[in-house]
Amino acid sequence: AQTVTQSQPEMSVQEAETVTLSCTYDTSESDYYLFWYKQPPSRQMILVIRQEAYKQQNATENRFSVNFQKAAKSFSLKISDSQLGDAAMYFCAYRSAYVRFGAGTRLTVKP
Amino acid sequence: GAGVSQSPSNKVTEKGKDVELRCDPISGHTALYWYRQSLGQGLEFLIYFQGNSAPDKSGLPSDRFSAERTGGSVSTLTIQRTQQEDSAVYLCASSLGGLAGVGQFFGPGTRLTVL
Repeated sequence: AQTVTQSQPEMSVQEAETVTLSCTYDTSESDYYLFWYKQPPSRQMILVIRQEAYKQQNATENRFSVNFQKAAKSFSLKISDSQLGDAAMYFCAYRSAYVRFGAGTRLTVKP
Repeated sequence: GAGVSQSPSNKVTEKGKDVELRCDPISGHTALYWYRQSLGQGLEFLIYFQGNSAPDKSGLPSDRFSAERTGGSVSTLTIQRTQQEDSAVYLCASSLGGLAGVGQFFGPGTRLTVL
């Protein structure tokens, strides 16, 4: 069974600094997708970044980038130049035929 | 059980039929969420229950969708007169204390296919 683990329930970062959120997963499949979602207080889930497992190059979206280590089954999210608006719950997700989510990491950004 | 459970895991239905999807949250979790993920799209918030408060239905896409939560525990998402665009994975999650809770625990999802 596929499982997704986010080992950091809460993280804090100073505005303008960099923070990394960790995510590991377990799967026997070779073809899948990985996602990071952001959930602000509005509860809407916002897709931050996605990574196709067959791509070796790490995905990047502006200040957000991932460190995808397929052999280690690790998919961490790095947020550079953190902004107050980055404060939210962040969910790591795995998708092949099914979707699996981690429990989330609550990120606080300090001014 | 130890986690959030959902049933059925897969549901195939014909266009125009009604379907009911069930979610059993973690015992003691007062907050319950429904989401859906359509193919090629991100996760879409549908509805949120918190204790005895009126649910937040702001994410329901149409009046064909409804949900209830009986006794503050089990929740049922009902889709009436299903359409092909309703095909998606429907996810339920629960947590302690709504947004104040640390971590939402997601169920395995129900894959709905409307033919």
